[in-house]
Amino acid sequence: AQSVTQLGSHVSVSEGALVLLRCNYSSSVPPYLFWYVQYPNQGLQLLLKYTSAATLVKGINGFEAEFKKSETSFHLTKPSAHMSDAAEYFCAVSDLNQAGTALIFGKGTTLSVSS
Amino acid sequence: DAGVTQSPTHLIKTRGQQVTLRCSPISGHKSVSWYQQVLGQGPQFIFQYYEKEERGRGNFPDRFSARQFPNYSSELNVNALLLGDSALYLCASSLEWLQEGQPQHFGDGTRLSIL
Repeated sequence: AQSVTQLGSHVSVSEGALVLLRCNYSSSVPPYLFWYVQYPNQGLQLLLKYTSAATLVKGINGFEAEFKKSETSFHLTKPSAHMSDAAEYFCAVSDLNQAGTALIFGKGTTLSVSS
Repeated sequence: DAGVTQSPTHLIKTRGQQVTLRCSPISGHKSVSWYQQVLGQGPQFIFQYYEKEERGRGNFPDRFSARQFPNYSSELNVNALLLGDSALYLCASSLEWLQEGQPQHFGDGTRLSIL
């Protein structure tokens, strides 16, 4: 079964600093990977997705992620953090099987941004 | 265009009761999925429906059931509620099913509290 592991349940950065949120996947076939963000009392918003077209994926709000097959990783980065980036971030893999296309989520990483 | 809409936003029930949650997908989306998000965890897949038929089921007991209507809206039913059913229930829609790499778009969820 496919799975994702998010390293670090809580990451704290200063405003303007680099954001790095880690995600490793476990898959026997090329995966389809996603990053979602969840603000308090809201649902999940898609940040970006990897579907094998390019290893460096650019998303919304200045975020990007790089797919590294040799490291089975799909880490999320942003060069300069803003206060508005404080939220919960989830990495997910698409589990495509004959029954459907479920998303398998990691446990999430809470990003805190201080001024 | 309206996104995924869910109702109600909040619900309080007691143990043993039954609950029905509702979801309207994005216009044109034919597939609806349900997820359970317990506080502090990532969402867990419950069901996927497409063209009124169940296409995928996660590891949840038979107390959980769902259906999809001809207009592609969906209901999630939970019987014999337990304290452990307290969670945010998220609905997600996508254009099709069994389409690799397609993202799922989430509503803001229904917060279910069991007393």
